Formats: sequence, C-alpha cells, structure tokens
Amino acid sequence: RKEVEQDPGPFNVPEGATVAFNCTYSNSASQSFFWYRQDCRKEPKLLMSVYSSGNEDGRFTAQLNRASQYISLLIRDSKLSDSATYLCVVPSGNTGKLIFGQGTTLQVKP
Amino acid sequence: EPEVTQTPSHQVTQMGQEVILRCVPISNHLYFYWYRQILGQKVEFLVSFYNNEISEKSEIFDDQFSVERPDGSNFTLKIRSTKLEDSAMYFCASSQDRVDNEQFFGPGTRLTVL
Repeated sequence: RKEVEQDPGPFNVPEGATVAFNCTYSNSASQSFFWYRQDCRKEPKLLMSVYSSGNEDGRFTAQLNRASQYISLLIRDSKLSDSATYLCVVPSGNTGKLIFGQGTTLQVKP
Repeated sequence: EPEVTQTPSHQVTQMGQEVILRCVPISNHLYFYWYRQILGQKVEFLVSFYNNEISEKSEIFDDQFSVERPDGSNFTLKIRSTKLEDSAMYFCASSQDRVDNEQFFGPGTRLTVL
C-alpha cells in the first residue's frame, strides 16, 4: 500500500452538490491527519486538521476511520470557489515530515 | 497575518550551475522545511531543520543539496550542480512545533533547469 493514496479524479460537480473524497494511509501509528487545499501552481494551504474521529468546519467535514486507515473529506453545497486540488497529508515520524497524497482534483461547474 | 515568503518566484538556470533558493519563515516559528513538487506530481518532502541542524532528509536530498539558516530570518536551499530533473516548484514551510502542528507554506520558487 502506498503511504498516502487518493483517487486523483477529477470530480466534476455542479454548484450546490455534495462531494466526498477518500484517502487511505499505510502507517497505522499515525495520530493526526490533514487536508490541504492547493490551487493551480500555488502553495498548499491547510483546510482541516483531524485528530480524533472527525472534524467539521462549516460546509467541510473530515472523518477518520483508524481501523480501516481511511480518511474522508465531505464538501456540502459546493461553490465555484471550491474548485481546487485537495491533498490528504499524513505526518511521518517526529521531525515534522509530511507525506502528501497525489491530490484529488475538484471542478465545480455553474 | 504573518506569512512565509520566498525569493525568487522563478529561477531559470543552466544545467550544472548552482542555485540558492531563499525563504523567510514566520518569525516565531522554530521548525523549517523544504518540499518540492515536480509538475503534475505530488508534493515531496526534502528536509526538515531545527536548531541549526537537519532533523531529517529524504532520499532526494543528496550531496548536491544543502540548507542553511545564515541569520535570524533567512532559510536557504542550495543546489550545487543542477540537473534537468531538479526542475520543480520548491516550497519552504515553517511551523511552531514539529508534531501535529500546521505547517505554513511559502508561495514557492519555480526552478527551471535548461
């Protein structure tokens, strides 16, 4: 299994749709997880942190299933501005190293 | 809002030349990182740095690479003899802590090796 694996998409959805992205990770010892957002040719920016079973922030919900080593990100009521690549990120070790998935591309259409 | 800055935004160089990429981390952060992203590929960890020494480096970070914090504000990545395959976006990041702590990324330097 790859360290962090995501479906690259693209996901093409209409405005207002609900969309979910999945991510699996290989290191069962990982305690924290992140979803970053990356716009085209820009730097990654933190969207959400996930430390326990899940986290919710407005239209965004992240869930963690430790038994299956699986993280999800749910976006409700999609906006055009949500169009981006969503990166699943898992810390590795204790030096701050982050392992990135390849990202899932979302395109929200009017 | 404090932010990580990087210069230059784009660097074009000839194969075999040395390049230095510069970063100014957020002022009260103690942990610094370099990542790279080849076009169309995922973001890859290069090196982490704390207390003026490397904490961890990846397989990519070979003898051609070095990092330095020459003063209290700058954090640099040097590539001694660039190769075509070094062409990528290089991101600097910093954080207050090293575990479970948000890393703030700079806007990146696009390195093109000809």
